[in-house]
Amino acid sequence: EPEVTQTPSHQVTQMGQEVILRCVPISNHLYFYWYRQILGQKVEFLVSFYNNEISEKSEIFDDQFSVERPDGSNFTLKIRSTKLEDSAMYFCASSEARGLARGDTQYFGPGTRLTVL
Amino acid sequence: AQRVTQPEKLLSVFKGAPVELKCNYSYSGSPELFWYVQYSRQRLQLLLRHISRESIKGFTADLNKGETSFHLKKPFAQEEDSAMYYCALSLYMIYNQGGKLIFGQGTELSVKP
Repeated sequence: EPEVTQTPSHQVTQMGQEVILRCVPISNHLYFYWYRQILGQKVEFLVSFYNNEISEKSEIFDDQFSVERPDGSNFTLKIRSTKLEDSAMYFCASSEARGLARGDTQYFGPGTRLTVL
Repeated sequence: AQRVTQPEKLLSVFKGAPVELKCNYSYSGSPELFWYVQYSRQRLQLLLRHISRESIKGFTADLNKGETSFHLKKPFAQEEDSAMYYCALSLYMIYNQGGKLIFGQGTELSVKP
């Protein structure tokens, strides 16, 4: 069964450094998402992406964050200048477009644990 | 504002006992609700969604719009059910836009032998 993959599984960085988290969504999926989960807290939506543009973003997704689909398979989340509070598990998800008005099932990757020192 | 509440952080039961994981939501539109499960060190996996009305691994969940609830139930818990369970609300949008998921805090289910 196809799965969403994410690399790296764990990233350690210094405060102020740029990081890029990578995701390979399921191949026939058209909607892509990033979520994050700070330790001990709930999973929070960051951004959704469709047709090479952001569909929606949360308040968390400020100017330090950006997303990109650089080729036909990868979907990346970039944090330009990391802060201590960016330490979290970051999950990528994808869903299949069915042409319906309703959201479809989202399939999640295993996550990247980002530690900012 | 849209919100999902899972009041219990931890639910501990013995094998063979019934299980009910509570989920309440707040949303003025037509809700689309999901239960996701996360086994130890694994990814979030869809357990079930309310529009499918199916039973997965013996779990069922019924949407109660009057009580704005979507509780997850299983009549006889198994040790392998021990995991983190998340209730999620999908805010579907107009065509060509995906719907973000709003998650509850999660409930850790521990099934003891």
